[in-house]
Amino acid sequence: GIQVEQSPPDLILQEGANSTLRCNFSDSVNNLQWFHQNPWGQLINLFYIPSGTKQNGRLSATTVATERYSLLYISSSQTTDSGVYFCAVTPYQAGTALIFGKGTTLSVSS
Amino acid sequence: NAGVTQTPKFRVLKTGQSMTLLCAQDMNHEYMYWYRQDPGMGLRLIHYSVGEGTTAKGEVPDGYNVSRLKKQNFLLGLESAAPSQTSVYFCASNPSDAYEQYFGPGTRLTVT
Repeated sequence: GIQVEQSPPDLILQEGANSTLRCNFSDSVNNLQWFHQNPWGQLINLFYIPSGTKQNGRLSATTVATERYSLLYISSSQTTDSGVYFCAVTPYQAGTALIFGKGTTLSVSS
Repeated sequence: NAGVTQTPKFRVLKTGQSMTLLCAQDMNHEYMYWYRQDPGMGLRLIHYSVGEGTTAKGEVPDGYNVSRLKKQNFLLGLESAAPSQTSVYFCASNPSDAYEQYFGPGTRLTVT
């Protein structure tokens, strides 16, 4: 089946720093989503981005489907950005469910 | 719109007990999913449904049953709970294949 690899596994930042999280996937996809899981366990939809670039405030994401990777950019990080960031994909013509990566754990300190 | 809701939020069971988790969505979505999340891991699919009256197995279906009697509800049942089923359970829905999935707040289940 499809492999979803996220890097780095852990990231420690000072408030105000910028960061880039990466998601590599091993096959074609027709859905790619980025999530933030906050310290209380809630899953928050950040982006639905099977291709192209999107921006939402301090966050932006780019998916290059032909090269099978996606990037999540966090600018001017805040302590509330702490948590685990998941990338999840649905393989093209191979099911409907999301396949999740193992996540990147982000800790932002003040 | 409430989106996707899950009942209950927390539950503690003894080994061998049974229970049902309820997922409800008010977005008129055709597809619904049950995932589980174990510590330090991403979510894994248990069962899913592509429409009222349909269900299908996911990656980790053993020990669980599901039913989709109404389009807006998707039930996950544990007939005889085991400690290995201690996990956080998430429900999700989307209009159809390849569309964005929307997740509920999760149910934290502990089996002792």
